[in-house]
Amino acid sequence: DAKTTQPPSMDCAEGRAANLPCNHSTISGNEYVYWYRQIHSQGPQYIIHGLKNNETNEMASLIITEDRKSSTLILPHATLRDTAVYYCIALSSSNTGKLIFGQGTTLQVKP
Amino acid sequence: NAGVTQTPKFQVLKTGQSMTLQCAQDMNHNSMYWYRQDPGMGLRLIYYSASEGTTDKGEVPNGYNVSRLNKREFSLRLESAAPSQTSVYFCASSERPGGPQHFGDGTRLSIL
Repeated sequence: DAKTTQPPSMDCAEGRAANLPCNHSTISGNEYVYWYRQIHSQGPQYIIHGLKNNETNEMASLIITEDRKSSTLILPHATLRDTAVYYCIALSSSNTGKLIFGQGTTLQVKP
Repeated sequence: NAGVTQTPKFQVLKTGQSMTLQCAQDMNHNSMYWYRQDPGMGLRLIYYSASEGTTDKGEVPNGYNVSRLNKREFSLRLESAAPSQTSVYFCASSERPGGPQHFGDGTRLSIL
């Protein structure tokens, strides 16, 4: 599975959109981009995933560039409860499910 | 709608004691996983079960055994606990191997 690179930390004002970038320049054609987050002392939480097209669900939107070398997770109206570590993971469709969590991005939502 | 339930939530053991961590999911998922997370580190896969009746080693299986009791339940056993196994243990499940995983709240295990 391709390596991903994320900034170590970001701040966002409450109520504003949080845009979290992820680079995955070596991603292959059958690898999905998954986003998870972990709020302090809780289990990781699945957010969204996509292959080529942009995706949206009740939690977030995922924008994948046309060349698939990078993506952005968008939390449209960040709240204090969105403060967490966010992980971007590239996972092939044939992967048995072994998630490799890197260091992720620590998002601090401020009032 | 419980999702993934782990028991116990906290446990303290002495070196050499044995213990089984329990995990159950009510989402009719086929695949289940056990991870450990050490302070300041990401999750590491211990064992996984792609489907009922199968189990496979992950990244750090030494010192652990697992049992996929049925489709709902996947237990993790420490036969002879060691201080290096002090960690937070997370169980997860997914509808299919490689699909989105849903995690429990973890078991915080300390071994003295």
